[in-house]
Amino acid sequence: KQEVTQIPAALSVPEGENLVLNCSFTDSAIYNLQWFRQDPGKGLTSLLLIQSSQREQTSGRLNASLDKSSGRSTLYIAASQPGDSATYLCAVSRNTGKLIFGQGTTLQVKP
Amino acid sequence: EAGVAQSPRYKIIEKRQSVAFWCNPISGHATLYWYQQILGQGPKLLIQFQNNGVVDDSQLPKDRFSAERLKGVDSTLKIQPAKLEDSAVYLCASSLGDLTLGPINTGELFFGEGSRLTVL
Repeated sequence: KQEVTQIPAALSVPEGENLVLNCSFTDSAIYNLQWFRQDPGKGLTSLLLIQSSQREQTSGRLNASLDKSSGRSTLYIAASQPGDSATYLCAVSRNTGKLIFGQGTTLQVKP
Repeated sequence: EAGVAQSPRYKIIEKRQSVAFWCNPISGHATLYWYQQILGQGPKLLIQFQNNGVVDDSQLPKDRFSAERLKGVDSTLKIQPAKLEDSAVYLCASSLGDLTLGPINTGELFFGEGSRLTVL
C-alpha cells in the first residue's frame, strides 16, 4: 500500500529565505508526482508535475526533484515571499491516475 | 478556459440528514474524481469515473455515500445519512486521461474550489 509522508508538517521562515519541502513515498512504482498549493478555504492548484522518467521540473522560483529509487521528492522555493504562505501537498499517481496525497506542509513566510 | 466548478461552496446540516454536491469538470476531460479532505489531512480519493463508468470506488463508504456521472460530464456526490465524521471539504477534480488508451501517465489533475460540509 502506497504511503506518502511530508516533512516538516509546518515551517516558518523569514522573507527572502530559500527553503526545501520534503516528500517521501513507500512504493517506487509511480507514474508521476505532483506538487500542489492550497490556500486556506480554497481548492488545490497544481504547481509542478514530474513524470516518472524525469528527474526534475522548474517553474519560476520553484524547482521539484524526483528520485524514484529512493522514494523521495523535494520542492525547492527560492527567495521566499509572504505570498508563498500556503499548504503544499505532494501526491503520487498510480497507473489509473489516482493520486495518493501526503498530509501537507504548512508554510508561513514572515515579512 | 473555465475550471472545475463545484456547488454549493458551503453546507451545514444536522447528522442523519442528507446532502448532495455537484461538479462540472473542465470541458473534454474524460476522468473525474471526488476527494474527501478532512481538516489537517491530505485529500483521500472517494471515487474515480472514466467517462460515466466507475474506475475506483474502493474507499467510498457505500452504505451512506453514492455518486453518479450521467452522460459522462457532470457528477453528483450524495451523503445519506450524514455522520459527524463526514465533516470535510469535498473536492472534485478532472483530468484529460483516458484509460481506454492505456495507463494514465500524463494525467495532471485540476481541482475545483471544493464544497465544505459541516455536520452538527
